[in-house]
Amino acid sequence: EAGVAQSPRYKIIEKRQSVAFWCNPISGHATLYWYQQILGQGPKLLIQFQNNGVVDDSQLPKDRFSAERLKGVDSTLKIQPAKLEDSAVYLCASSLGTSGGEQETQYFGPGTRLLVL
Amino acid sequence: AQSVSQHNHHVILSEAASLELGCNYSYGGTVNLFWYVQYPGQHLQLLLKYFSGDPLVKGIKGFEAEFIKSKFSFNLRKPSVQWSDTAEYFCAVILTDSWGKLQFGAGTQVVVTP
Repeated sequence: EAGVAQSPRYKIIEKRQSVAFWCNPISGHATLYWYQQILGQGPKLLIQFQNNGVVDDSQLPKDRFSAERLKGVDSTLKIQPAKLEDSAVYLCASSLGTSGGEQETQYFGPGTRLLVL
Repeated sequence: AQSVSQHNHHVILSEAASLELGCNYSYGGTVNLFWYVQYPGQHLQLLLKYFSGDPLVKGIKGFEAEFIKSKFSFNLRKPSVQWSDTAEYFCAVILTDSWGKLQFGAGTQVVVTP
């Protein structure tokens, strides 16, 4: 079974530039998550989708971050404009659903390492 | 606010030593519990999980964890570590009725020396 795919793996940009990350979840997984992992910390949830609807975006800095999952499969996370403090690893994860138990087990992609100069 | 605490940020031990990593969470309700591992250069992988039933759960690569409800703890153990266990270990919790939202601890970097 193919895992969660993400691209690019690495990205270096200057502050105030824009950047986009792509994620393809495990086939059949209805729920998709984007996390931000700053060095030395655990991942922090940015946004959660259930199919193509947003379940939770309370931690997403909406003035600069946006995300979409238009057809309920692939997702894109965008930062515009980027700030120095956005340097982090951006992780995508997916799960079957949110109905408890095994359904909620999340599987992670390799992440995109972003460096903002 | 709910939180997940991992007791040690860094652990260094020799091969064949025993490993125990502490994890505590602050939430009085029902939880699902996870340990994830991140080997150098690799992505987060699920090590083991607990939903209900036997509080002692076994995962991959000889790891096990024990859920102690009264102590709000889910400590990870391995009786004899190998050099290949060098990695960062994350404890994570899903609270009931939180739509599957994972809350992570800060992680513990484990270095196993030959």
